[in-house]
Amino acid sequence: KNEVEQSPQNLTAQEGEFITINCSYSVGISALHWLQQHPGGGIVSLFMLSSGKKKHGRLIATINIQEKHSSLHITASHPRDSAVYICAVIRGNKLVFGAGTILRVKS
Amino acid sequence: NAGVTQTPKFRVLKTGQSMTLLCAQDMNHEYMYWYRQDPGMGLRLIHYSVGEGTTAKGEVPDGYNVSRLKKQNFLLGLESAAPSQTSVYFCASSYSNWGPQFFGPGTRLTVL
Repeated sequence: KNEVEQSPQNLTAQEGEFITINCSYSVGISALHWLQQHPGGGIVSLFMLSSGKKKHGRLIATINIQEKHSSLHITASHPRDSAVYICAVIRGNKLVFGAGTILRVKS
Repeated sequence: NAGVTQTPKFRVLKTGQSMTLLCAQDMNHEYMYWYRQDPGMGLRLIHYSVGEGTTAKGEVPDGYNVSRLKKQNFLLGLESAAPSQTSVYFCASSYSNWGPQFFGPGTRLTVL
């Protein structure tokens, strides 16, 4: 079993829908990252969080350290949100990554 | 600022050939990382460095070597390429072990 599990693996949504991507991890961590990988391959960091909730535009990330679970929400989804969303947990000097969730938003 | 750059962007090797991938960052970051990304799998850490002159093994270090002679550069070497090393390689840098990582554009390597 991977240390970091994401669900779903694939997600197709209609423009405007509310989207949730989940991340569960099996070990104690100090913080967690959400990243976005564009169709062209570039990877950007969206959030780093160790507790509670963070919001940036239409993106919201939450984490429950006790339950070892984080969620990434996208409100009013748009086709430009189509990308791979990756969860990663901080373990010492390193990040351990989930396999990613492939999101496609149709217009 | 260029951020994190990688050279080359694409490369095709024959089995047994050697090559070096160069990663450069202009953000004065201490931490640098080399990852590989394969279809259906998450990013996997090959080697990393926590400062100039230091390197450490990651999750999948076999078949690779690294060097960090200058703070801004992190080199990844393949001494004898194998088809199993066909992958997309990403370099990243960070100011700390918990801060956001800034990724390069990737190098697509094919080993025939």
